[in-house]
Amino acid sequence: EDKVVQSPLSLVVHEGDTVTLNCSYEVTNFRSLLWYKQEKKAPTFLFMLTSSGIEKKSGRLSSILDKKELFSILNITATQTGDSAVYLCAVVKTQGGSEKLVFGKGTKLTVNP
Amino acid sequence: EAQVTQNPRYLITVTGKKLTVTCSQNMNHEYMSWYRQDPGLGLRQIYYSMNVEVTDKGDVPEGYKVSRKEKRNFPLILESPSPNQTSLYFCASSPYPGLAGGLGTQYFGPGTRLTVL
Repeated sequence: EDKVVQSPLSLVVHEGDTVTLNCSYEVTNFRSLLWYKQEKKAPTFLFMLTSSGIEKKSGRLSSILDKKELFSILNITATQTGDSAVYLCAVVKTQGGSEKLVFGKGTKLTVNP
Repeated sequence: EAQVTQNPRYLITVTGKKLTVTCSQNMNHEYMSWYRQDPGLGLRQIYYSMNVEVTDKGDVPEGYKVSRKEKRNFPLILESPSPNQTSLYFCASSPYPGLAGGLGTQYFGPGTRLTVL
């Protein structure tokens, strides 16, 4: 059975802290790994990772994938209150000629002023 | 503006009363999908469609139907809703998965909060 496990489930930090969110997976026919940010609405896309060891970066956010150890991390430096959200990890797998997503349960990040 | 729209945004109904949640995208995307999101369970895929007239079951298809008669529309049908289908539903679309990056750029609709009494 496919599994995507995120940790921690919940995290509370102070503004300015650096956080690392984890995503491990056991999925057959892996194609790519995605990170989303979800505030009180629909998820918004952050990163797509397909190759090991290549860091993706966007401002204070960065992410990297390790396909050998089957995990990814999402780093947020100098956190701000606007970073408070649920961060979702999802793995794209191929299945019967099509593709589907398997989501983790998310990490709820709270950044306090 | 590129977007995925869902209607209704909120719906309270009773057990057994058939309902349809519409989903429409204006980006000419081939791939569309429905998810439900429940506390502690995360997002789970209900059905997806690679193209017109092609649909496949996701992880939790029981109690749902879909159709893809046109590229832009992908309605979700609950023939006989039950209280365990109370959830937040998201429709999403993306370009053809066979392109480089697969489902990387997936656009989500605003969500439909359904309550079945």
